[in-house]
Amino acid sequence: DADVTQTPRNRITKTGKRIMLECSQTKGHDRMYWYRQDPGLGLRLIYYSFDVKDINKGEISDGYSVSRQAQAKFSLSLESAIPNQTALYFCATSPLGNTGELFFGEGSRLTVL
Amino acid sequence: GDSVTQMEGPVTLSEEAFLTINCTYTATGYPSLFWYVQYPGEGLQLLLKATKADDKGSNKGFEATYRKETTSFHLEKGSVQVSDSAVYFCALSDLGATNKLIFGTGTLLAVQP
Repeated sequence: DADVTQTPRNRITKTGKRIMLECSQTKGHDRMYWYRQDPGLGLRLIYYSFDVKDINKGEISDGYSVSRQAQAKFSLSLESAIPNQTALYFCATSPLGNTGELFFGEGSRLTVL
Repeated sequence: GDSVTQMEGPVTLSEEAFLTINCTYTATGYPSLFWYVQYPGEGLQLLLKATKADDKGSNKGFEATYRKETTSFHLEKGSVQVSDSAVYFCALSDLGATNKLIFGTGTLLAVQP
């Protein structure tokens, strides 16, 4: 089983719908991240969390919210999805310390029609 | 702000050819530099890293040298295989408290038999 698990792996939805992407990890890491990947733009940070009481905005947080339900769970929500939120979303984790190494899930592909 | 610039792809090579993927960076401090690889259908995983000038990171036959004078971290491999086909991302981190990474746009490598 994957150490960082994302659900759903694929989702097609309509404009205006609320969507939640979930991430769970068995690595025991305190830090969790949500990234968005778009062709030609690479990965951009949406939100990150260092523990259940610490949530921080990344560079593109508008239109998104997150919840850190437990050390192992970090969810990303789109309250009212729009077509330009169509992208591949990645959850990642890292241990304490600043090694620069992130551990990624397999991604959640979201299409907003 | 800090940024990473990678050569555009796709890069198409025959098996056993020499690979270079260029990466340059802009940073105000002294960042650590990374190459991540994304195989088809998977999340990113760390390939190699270098934390200070003149350091060479290496893994799986890939190498990259941290060149402060040219602000570069080019990825090289002497003889590519079909299994190396993937998207390669250059990234930097200031290894500050957030452990955040700034990614380049990614370079698709396709190796043909």
